[in-house]
Amino acid sequence: SAVISQKPSRDICQRGTSLTIQCQVDSQVTMMFWYRQQPGQSLTLIATANQGSEATYESGFVIDKFPISRPNLTFSTLTVSNMSPEDSSIYLCSVLRSNTEAFFGQGTRLTVV
Amino acid sequence: GQQLNQSPQSMFIQEGEDVSMNCTSSSIFNTWLWYKQDPGEGPVLLIALYKAGELTSNGRLTAQFGITRKDSFLNISASIPSDVGIYFCAGPPLIQGAQKLVFGQGTRLTINP
Repeated sequence: SAVISQKPSRDICQRGTSLTIQCQVDSQVTMMFWYRQQPGQSLTLIATANQGSEATYESGFVIDKFPISRPNLTFSTLTVSNMSPEDSSIYLCSVLRSNTEAFFGQGTRLTVV
Repeated sequence: GQQLNQSPQSMFIQEGEDVSMNCTSSSIFNTWLWYKQDPGEGPVLLIALYKAGELTSNGRLTAQFGITRKDSFLNISASIPSDVGIYFCAGPPLIQGAQKLVFGQGTRLTINP
């Protein structure tokens, strides 16, 4: 399994501000994935981050709101921009092993006040 | 978008009881994954299933990949307090490509001592 470190583990932010979440993996991976888990809900894929190209966003998620960087094969960031209370969620980064088995970081618990 | 129907949504059982939960889909999956999420943590992979009819065990956990490729179940035998958490089924729908996982709504397991 991969070791995935996410920072910060939690934060409380003011509405209108932005937060950048970092994800570091202990081995090189082609794709990294960002998920959102709203309170009491399941996981929803936000986007797929490929090194050297723009991220691919899922329906309902846009680059202006969730810009993603992927500067190398072991690191990615997700920014939650212009936050509102509705953005309060757990944000998780993930990588694949064996093409389908996803491994997750511990998540970033975001509260917007 | 594609969703997995997971049931039950919650379970309240006595320690030592067996647990069963299942997941169904309207479309075919080539892989079924079962995860457990503890509070404040990311989901952890428990069992991965790759072949229709496959029955796989991991300690007290047993999971099966349905013959129709549209369902899977997870059983936990002789539950113990550390089994408490939220269990998710997940998989990549055949129509979406191997890397994009969709998740069930989760089964929240509570154990009374």
